[in-house]
Amino acid sequence: EVQLVESGGGLVKPGGSLRLSCAASGFTFSNAWMSWVRQAPGKGLEWVGRIKSKTDGGTTDYAAPVKGRFTISRDDSKNTLYLQMNSLKTEDTAVYYCTTEVRGSYYVYFDYWGQGTLVTVSS
Amino acid sequence: SYELTQPPSVSVSPGQTARITCSGDALPKQYAYWYQQKPGQAPVLVIYKDSERPSGIPERFSGSSSGTTVTLTISGVQAEDEADYYCQSADSTVVFGGGTKLTVL
Repeated sequence: EVQLVESGGGLVKPGGSLRLSCAASGFTFSNAWMSWVRQAPGKGLEWVGRIKSKTDGGTTDYAAPVKGRFTISRDDSKNTLYLQMNSLKTEDTAVYYCTTEVRGSYYVYFDYWGQGTLVTVSS
Repeated sequence: SYELTQPPSVSVSPGQTARITCSGDALPKQYAYWYQQKPGQAPVLVIYKDSERPSGIPERFSGSSSGTTVTLTISGVQAEDEADYYCQSADSTVVFGGGTKLTVL
């Protein structure tokens, strides 16, 4: 059974930093492309960014609102995905979900989701 | 930037058919996907590649595509189907629609 368990959320002041973790199990994590998706309170879903598998280069892509502030990384030896968030803004307040990404020519979607972890940016 | 447009809300009575639309210029070239999200829970994929249903998703959920619009159809709606539904696609980046709240009257 695929399991994704996020942790690390909490209250942080504007301008601060936070690192989220996502522990994965039930699939071959090292082969997976992984994404973070967030949801502000009462709002819709927003893709944050992805990291490719190391065999596909291990590179990252980010959404415009977080580019330059957020960094996604992975530790395949620990089956863990990370989201380092710096220079946090109040508008980054959201539940952050870890997801597995399925992609190919002309398609990309998210088949498994964690339960999410809440990040609140407030003074 | 690329956008996907959904109606904010749809209401149906139990047993009726609910149709939720999603419009976007890239949809003729890119597949669409649908996620169901119940309050306090993570999203669940209910349709992928316009009309494919993941294992474990009831047959009453179906998807279709026509031009720049894709449609999620729920036949014989049940009370448990009350949720927010999001479409998703991708152009140069991943895009989600704004979500549709399905109310079962």
